[in-house]
Amino acid sequence: AQSVTQLGSHVSVSEGALVLLRCNYSSSVPPYLFWYVQYPNQGLQLLLKYTSAATLVKGINGFEAEFKKSETSFHLTKPSAHMRDAAEYFCAVSGSSNTGKLIFGQGTTLQVKP
Amino acid sequence: DGGITQSPKYLFRKEGQNVTLSCEQNLNHDAMYWYRQDPGQGLRLIYYSQIVNDFQKGDIAEGYSVSREKKESFPLTVTSAQKNPTAFYLCASSIGGVEKLFFGSGTQLSVL
Repeated sequence: AQSVTQLGSHVSVSEGALVLLRCNYSSSVPPYLFWYVQYPNQGLQLLLKYTSAATLVKGINGFEAEFKKSETSFHLTKPSAHMRDAAEYFCAVSGSSNTGKLIFGQGTTLQVKP
Repeated sequence: DGGITQSPKYLFRKEGQNVTLSCEQNLNHDAMYWYRQDPGQGLRLIYYSQIVNDFQKGDIAEGYSVSREKKESFPLTVTSAQKNPTAFYLCASSIGGVEKLFFGSGTQLSVL
């Protein structure tokens, strides 16, 4: 079975500071991992996806994530936060390669202070 | 433009009433999904469908029903058996397999 844990329900950074959102996963099979972003009252948008190719994955809006098998982690980073990055972020793991079901973490709200 | 349309944006349910949430996509995707979002709990899968006329229960299917009569449509009915229906409901679609999900903008369901 797969599961995802996001460490920290709220993260606050200053504009221009490093963003680090933590995600740990559990999977009995090689995982496919995703980060999605949700702006208020909207659906989710894909930031990036890991599918067993390069361990460092680059996504949209300057975000990237590194897959570390030994640590079962897939943390999301961005070197310099912008005000527009304020949103809720979800890490997800594929439940099955056949169905495309995703198991989502609880979400992390990113606050960016001026 | 291609995308997923959910309607209505806000919906109110009375005690004992069934309500239906609409989800339509024009992306020609085979797979469609319904998720429920509660604050602090992330998204939980209600039902999913990989092909027309077929669907499977997700993790929290009790009190919900779906149909998939057309490729582009996957309506969700919240029945009176669902005792805690207040939540934000998200519909998604994908081409199938482990590919990215495209999400609608959601329906907020509240109980009167």
